[in-house]
Amino acid sequence: EPEVTQTPSHQVTQMGQEVILRCVPISNHLYFYWYRQILGQKVEFLVSFYNNEISEKSEIFDDQFSVERPDGSNFTLKIRSTKLEDSAMYFCASQQLGTQYFGPGTRLTVL
Amino acid sequence: GDSVTQMEGPVTLSEEAFLTINCTYTATGYPSLFWYVQYPGEGLQLLLKATKADDKGSNKGFEATYRKETTSFHLEKGSVQVSDSAVYFCALSGGSGGGADGLTFGKGTHLIIQP
Repeated sequence: EPEVTQTPSHQVTQMGQEVILRCVPISNHLYFYWYRQILGQKVEFLVSFYNNEISEKSEIFDDQFSVERPDGSNFTLKIRSTKLEDSAMYFCASQQLGTQYFGPGTRLTVL
Repeated sequence: GDSVTQMEGPVTLSEEAFLTINCTYTATGYPSLFWYVQYPGEGLQLLLKATKADDKGSNKGFEATYRKETTSFHLEKGSVQVSDSAVYFCALSGGSGGGADGLTFGKGTHLIIQP
């Protein structure tokens, strides 16, 4: 069964550094998403992406975040200058027929 | 804005007990409703969904009915197993009908099943 994959599974970075989180959505899906889950808290929507542009974004998705689909398979989330409070689990999802399918997540730790 | 409220955990039950996890929502329009499950150390897996009022979603013995009159989508299972121990999230997708709507999640309910 096709699934969403994410790399790396765990990323450790220093505050102020740039990070890129990578996702490979399910191949015939057209809508892509990023979410984050701070430890012990609920899953929060960051951004949705369709037809090579951002469709919707939350208040969390400020200027330090960007998304890109650099080729036909990858979907990336870039955090330009990481802060301590960016430490969280980041989930990618893709959608078909109104249902979103999630990847296993990338745990980002900012030191 | 849209919101989802679900019962706080942890919920601790004995094996074979009946499970109910309450979920209520507020939304404009006609949202779709979902239950996702997160097993320890893993990502979110879709458990079941319902897209319109009175629909019942079901999977792996779990059921939930979309109740528009009470704005609820309670999760039930008749006989839980130790392997059901996980965190359960109720979620909705926006009622506006836009294909790119992000999901709004509840805080999650940690379920612990004891043998």
